[in-house]
Amino acid sequence: DAGVTQSPTHLIKTRGQQVTLRCSPKSGHDTVSWYQQALGQGPQFIFQYYEEEERQRGNFPDRFSGHQFPNYSSELNVNALLLGDSALYLCASSLDPGVRAQYFGPGTRLLVL
Amino acid sequence: QQQVKQSPQSLIVQKGGISIINCAYENTAFDYFPWYQQFPGKGPALLIAIRPDVSEKKEGRFTISFNKSAKQFSLHIMDSQPGDSATYFCAASTGNSNSGYALNFGKGTSLLVTP
Repeated sequence: DAGVTQSPTHLIKTRGQQVTLRCSPKSGHDTVSWYQQALGQGPQFIFQYYEEEERQRGNFPDRFSGHQFPNYSSELNVNALLLGDSALYLCASSLDPGVRAQYFGPGTRLLVL
Repeated sequence: QQQVKQSPQSLIVQKGGISIINCAYENTAFDYFPWYQQFPGKGPALLIAIRPDVSEKKEGRFTISFNKSAKQFSLHIMDSQPGDSATYFCAASTGNSNSGYALNFGKGTSLLVTP
């Protein structure tokens, strides 16, 4: 049973650039959430997608946007990258929006220079 | 604003000892409290979770104790092993099946279990 997968594993960008991160949920899961984890901190909720719609959003600027595809996979896009966007970006999936347990992928480490 | 406060920041325990990590929250709407374990270079792994209608939940060597009136909950790791050395995060969530449930994490506790 494949768990949550994310790509790429690592990424280096420069300030002002745009980045797209990808996530495939655990088999059978249709709800995807994205979190940002700065070094030495707990993950911070960015947004959650279900039925290809953004259902809930955390305190992140509009530079952060997402998409969910019909096969439940998801993308996180960040525009106009800032140095402070350097972090581990985690994708989590759950069975459906009403199920509490969220299962995380290994993350994408983004470094902005 | 940190909605879940976690302590201690780091913890050293001898093999066979009990590791205890504490968390506190203010939002009384929180109704789901999971604990996650994270190894370096990996994503957080769900360990155990509790709802506020239960005061204790045990799974193997891991126990959550929950005190609703004090708005506190804690993770106890019995018979701690070197393989338990990792960062532990508490979290809390509220919401509904339409809007979904966002996890609010503590800042984490780095646990080192010495041989």
